[in-house]
Amino acid sequence: QSALTQPPSASGSPGQSVAISCTGTSSDVGAYNYVSWYQQHPGKAPKLMIYEVDKRPSGVPDRFSGSKSGNTASLSVSGLQAEDEADYYCSSYAGSNNYVFGTGTKVTVL
Amino acid sequence: QVQLVESGGGLVKPGGSLRLSCAASGFTFSDYYVSWIRQAPGKGLELVLYINSRGTTIYYADSVKGRFAISTDNAKNSLYLQMNSLRAEDAALYYCARGPRADSHAFDIWGQGTMVTVSS
Repeated sequence: QSALTQPPSASGSPGQSVAISCTGTSSDVGAYNYVSWYQQHPGKAPKLMIYEVDKRPSGVPDRFSGSKSGNTASLSVSGLQAEDEADYYCSSYAGSNNYVFGTGTKVTVL
Repeated sequence: QVQLVESGGGLVKPGGSLRLSCAASGFTFSDYYVSWIRQAPGKGLELVLYINSRGTTIYYADSVKGRFAISTDNAKNSLYLQMNSLRAEDAALYYCARGPRADSHAFDIWGQGTMVTVSS
């Protein structure tokens, strides 16, 4: 199972929006609405930000939103803040009890 | 407070063994699926293996089949990852994570990780 493809980097100024894509196949992202997104600050554990494509866990700001079209899922962050600077990883259920993660995107707040 | 704390990482020679521990607090891990996920230096996340709430291993990454195994100690609310025949490519930060959740298929609680270095 290959990793989901994410752009290596994305950036935006404070207050702006940034979107990160996560491209898989018809066997993972395209097949299931079980895409999740994780935020990882340097030296810290990943934190669940989005699950089931577009649902936010309690405590995650509504500046974070998720969507999916075909084999590509997306994470959008609006109203960028300095604390949003981190690595972001997507994940998808891939069938047969398997889960695949994305290659990761470093978000920089300019 | 719901949390997972890993320990047991260290330096091991190729072909050697290591046992990682993951202690859960704030919840009973035997009520959930629990996973080990690793991150090689500068790389992305990789699901290694996970167990269901009955302690049965549901998934192994092909790269660790026959070498890695999970065990549990319900009395200590802990689980362990026994890693044998370690290879250089097993070197990574190993995270214990709650999940995948049956409803969301997400990993909702992560530990801080424990580092495994494989080198002669």
